[in-house]
Amino acid sequence: AQSVTQLGSHVSVSEGALVLLRCNYSSSVPPYLFWYVQYPNQGLQLLLKYTSAATLVKGINGFEAEFKKSETSFHLTKPSAHMSDAAEYFCAVSEKGSNTGKLIFGQGTTLQVKP
Amino acid sequence: DAGVIQSPRHEVTEMGQEVTLRCKPISGHDYLFWYRQTMMRGLELLIYFNNNVPIDDSGMPEDRFSAKMPNASFSTLKIQPSEPRDSAVYFCASSLLILYNEQFFGPGTRLTVL
Repeated sequence: AQSVTQLGSHVSVSEGALVLLRCNYSSSVPPYLFWYVQYPNQGLQLLLKYTSAATLVKGINGFEAEFKKSETSFHLTKPSAHMSDAAEYFCAVSEKGSNTGKLIFGQGTTLQVKP
Repeated sequence: DAGVIQSPRHEVTEMGQEVTLRCKPISGHDYLFWYRQTMMRGLELLIYFNNNVPIDDSGMPEDRFSAKMPNASFSTLKIQPSEPRDSAVYFCASSLLILYNEQFFGPGTRLTVL
């Protein structure tokens, strides 16, 4: 069965510091992988997705993630945090060829950015 | 496209009342999902539809919850009778299978049951 684990429910960084949010998945077949961001009082919006093209995926707002099959990971990074990055971040997985239409979401990581 | 539309955005009701949440998915999408989000339980999938047919309702917490999708452009989630523990933000999302199952979320309905 598919699952997603996000290490760390809360991450705190200083403005200008590196952001690293961790996501590991388990899937019986190569997956599609997603990062969503949820700003306060808003719905989830897509940051980036991996669909088996380039393993390094660039998203909006300067975020990127690298698919590492050997580590079953899809960690999200941003070189320099901005105050506006404070939000909750969700990693999600969908199996290729799956006809369920479902995404399996991680528990979320709240990113705090300190001035 | 205007994206996924949900109404109302906020709902305050009293325990025992019926609550109906509404969702209009993105035109052409073939999947529709209802989620609930709380601080305690995080994001939970309640039910989802494919081509207007309910596929999996195993996440629906109780018989007090029901969902319908009478056509491709409209879905409702109903709670009857409502209880204070139903207070949460309810999200609707839609997707198109050929787009890697990427889901597009609505802004949510914040439900408060007093």
